[in-house]
Amino acid sequence: GAGVSQSPSNKVTEKGKDVELRCDPISGHTALYWYRQSLGQGLEFLIYFQGNSAPDKSGLPSDRFSAERTGGSVSTLTIQRTQQEDSAVYLCASSPSGSGGYTFGSGTRLTVV
Amino acid sequence: QKEVEQNSGPLSVPEGAIASLNCTYSDRGSQSFFWYRQYSGKSPELIMFIYSNGDKEDGRFTAQLNKASQYVSLLIRDSQPSDSATYLCAVEAGGTSYGKLTFGQGTILTVHP
Repeated sequence: GAGVSQSPSNKVTEKGKDVELRCDPISGHTALYWYRQSLGQGLEFLIYFQGNSAPDKSGLPSDRFSAERTGGSVSTLTIQRTQQEDSAVYLCASSPSGSGGYTFGSGTRLTVV
Repeated sequence: QKEVEQNSGPLSVPEGAIASLNCTYSDRGSQSFFWYRQYSGKSPELIMFIYSNGDKEDGRFTAQLNKASQYVSLLIRDSQPSDSATYLCAVEAGGTSYGKLTFGQGTILTVHP
């Protein structure tokens, strides 16, 4: 597609529920990144994909967080047993060659109540 | 000590003036440096990147890098009200080659007519 597409744009969920966030990167971009932005916080790296593999998942906050990427394209970030501290904007970005010059998606605002 | 530090501002400049945004980083091995602009409620967008010491100009924007001082800055000439946004400094982690970025907290810039 023309840009990085994320869905849903907003998600309100009850504490303890699981959520899935989706990212569809720019066509042909092999590198895909997930970041999290909390109120008053900077962007926090979560995970990096090159193709379908995740060489760096060091930023995932806990084992409740997981992500996958299929077909070298769409990625899904899953948060199990959501907690209130998971509330944030989750941003996906892609780049053609694994450089820091990303294109970000519009994000998913997750609110855990 | 934070890895990437920015003055959070807000920085207020009159229309037509030069806005100077500063950033310091702690990882001496960092190689690539990026400036992103983030409008309120929107996702970050890349405006400049710089890899080599010195200045890099792109229209009204100039990025400056001094690796010895671990300092990178962004100058915006002829500032316009539409430049009002949060500016994020991002540094590609030393020792990585895949675009993992560490972001500063951002500087809020307000350009008043």
